[in-house]
Amino acid sequence: AQTVTQSQPEMSVQEAETVTLSCTYDTSESDYYLFWYKQPPSRQMILVIRQEAYKQQNATENRFSVNFQKAAKSFSLKISDSQLGDAAMYFCAGDSGAGSYQLTFGKGTKLSVIP
Amino acid sequence: EPEVTQTPSHQVTQMGQEVILRCVPISNHLYFYWYRQILGQKVEFLVSFYNNEISEKSEIFDDQFSVERPDGSNFTLKIRSTKLEDSAMYFCAGLQGAGGYTFGSGTRLTVV
Repeated sequence: AQTVTQSQPEMSVQEAETVTLSCTYDTSESDYYLFWYKQPPSRQMILVIRQEAYKQQNATENRFSVNFQKAAKSFSLKISDSQLGDAAMYFCAGDSGAGSYQLTFGKGTKLSVIP
Repeated sequence: EPEVTQTPSHQVTQMGQEVILRCVPISNHLYFYWYRQILGQKVEFLVSFYNNEISEKSEIFDDQFSVERPDGSNFTLKIRSTKLEDSAMYFCAGLQGAGGYTFGSGTRLTVV
């Protein structure tokens, strides 16, 4: 992706509820990967989920799922049954789809989980 | 699960000093990367390395920066003369195949 935009600097969710984090991107490539990374206070980058643009089926990983709308260049993350451990910064990222496949990141969304 | 190992986890250096950040990627990775994250900001691409040479670099990666993979194992980022604004978290990453990224746990560089 050339640009990745996360329009929600902060979000909060009640424990056990569902929250959706938004991400839009821009690219001229037809095949590429999109990612959501979680960054806790330790600042480690933890892969949450990834989606290949060629696959129409939305990726899911346990409580985490995405809504991938290729035409709209939208890639939102849904967290179901939110847990206290989900509180972190979440970064959306896309690879360049060509060349050296480097990642472009959004500015992040800080998610708080309210007990 | 194989890991990308970065050392040190935290380094404090005087302004103007040279620093070398080290990374041991997973052996079957094809591409290697360095990314930087200034505190409170997004992660930014610095440089990619493929087949023992720089593949792409960003405008951040100026003449003060260099990368090496001298022994086929360690992948290093050198900052020749550090500035205060180089203070950041530096992440090494490797790419095994399409979409198969692995990030290291990062080195926090503090320039004083």
